[in-house]
Amino acid sequence: AQSVTQLGSHVSVSEGALVLLRCNYSSSVPPYLFWYVQYPNQGLQLLLKYTSAATLVKGINGFEAEFKKSETSFHLTKPSAHMRDAAEYFCASSGTSYGKLTFGQGTILTVHP
Amino acid sequence: KAGVTQTPRYLIKTRGQQVTLSCSPISGHRSVSWYQQTPGQGLQFLFEYFSETQRNKGNFPGRFSGRQFSNSRSEMNVSTLELGDSALYLCASSSRDSLGTEAFFGQGTRLTVV
Repeated sequence: AQSVTQLGSHVSVSEGALVLLRCNYSSSVPPYLFWYVQYPNQGLQLLLKYTSAATLVKGINGFEAEFKKSETSFHLTKPSAHMRDAAEYFCASSGTSYGKLTFGQGTILTVHP
Repeated sequence: KAGVTQTPRYLIKTRGQQVTLSCSPISGHRSVSWYQQTPGQGLQFLFEYFSETQRNKGNFPGRFSGRQFSNSRSEMNVSTLELGDSALYLCASSSRDSLGTEAFFGQGTRLTVV
């Protein structure tokens, strides 16, 4: 069965600082992994996805994530945080089940001026 | 290209009533999935439809049901509402019938049960 764990329900950074949001997955098969962002009272917006083509994945808004099989991790990073990055971020995986995503519990990112 | 459209955006219902939520996927997308989002349980998968057939179902009671029409639009129904059904219900659509295809989400329907 698929499972996704996000370490840290809240992360706070200063504007301009590095953003690091952690995600670990558990899967018996090679996973497909995704990062989504959710702004208040909105749906989920796809930031990036990993589908085994490359271990370093670049997404929108300057975010990227690196797939590390040995660590079963898919951490999300951004070199320099901006106020508009404040939102909740979700890591998700899909395995062999069509149309089903398994989500982590989410990480709320706060950006201080 | 229009995104995933969910209606209504907000809904208030009384315990014991039933409710129907609607989702129009992105044009050309044939897979529609539904999720429930609550502060306590996070995002949980309800079910997925492809070409009018339910292919996958999460661990929800039978009060939760859905269907998909020939134009790929989908509805989900919750009968005999309980207070715990208060949540944001999200619909997502996908373009291809292959594993690893990204899902595009609507803005959700906020259901409040009183």
